[in-house]
Amino acid sequence: DAGITQSPRHKVTETGTPVTLRCHQTENHRYMYWYRQDPGHGLRLIHYSYGVKDTDKGEVSDGYSVSRSKTEDFLLTLESATSSQTSVYFCAISDLADTDTQYFGPGTRLTVL
Amino acid sequence: DQQVKQNSPSLSVQEGRISILNCDYTNSMFDYFLWYKKYPAEGPTFLISISSIKDKNEDGRFTVFLNKSAKHLSLHIVPSQPGDSAVYFCAASQLNEKLTFGTGTRLTIIP
Repeated sequence: DAGITQSPRHKVTETGTPVTLRCHQTENHRYMYWYRQDPGHGLRLIHYSYGVKDTDKGEVSDGYSVSRSKTEDFLLTLESATSSQTSVYFCAISDLADTDTQYFGPGTRLTVL
Repeated sequence: DQQVKQNSPSLSVQEGRISILNCDYTNSMFDYFLWYKKYPAEGPTFLISISSIKDKNEDGRFTVFLNKSAKHLSLHIVPSQPGDSAVYFCAASQLNEKLTFGTGTRLTIIP
């Protein structure tokens, strides 16, 4: 299994509070991704990174920001959480040699009350 | 606009029989297709893939078929086993760009 961890694994927060989710990898892969999974929508890309300090938006990036200051860490921040951001969040990584095959972390279940 | 569609939210199959999961896509520029398997409370895991230059790829009990003219791919699992019960996502990409996922099909194998 690819070495990917996500923290926290579960979080309950209130509307309007900031939240940061962390993804940590030990594979030294260049690409990292944040997805959210919702019933009826599958997996949707929020943001991705193609190197340290290099990030770009996915299809559902509104309300989210990311940062990548080290190869191994990719942070997802909800500046002011809303109930519509209640979801399961997955981090994924892929190698430059095979960017199509992504390896996923265990997920973070976020509930915004 | 859903570019990758899995029209069957769920599927039940008897153990030992063949499971066939279907996926349709609308973007003719997609050139690589993948299937992922997901168990509850875990992240998706890569299962099998196929390039658009092929029409079939086989790995053990799993075979993926690609029909480019119909913009359709399918995953065959034979024989089906209880451990195959999971949610299956198909995904597609274009020129090593980002993956676009379908909505998933929940497969239940009945003992």
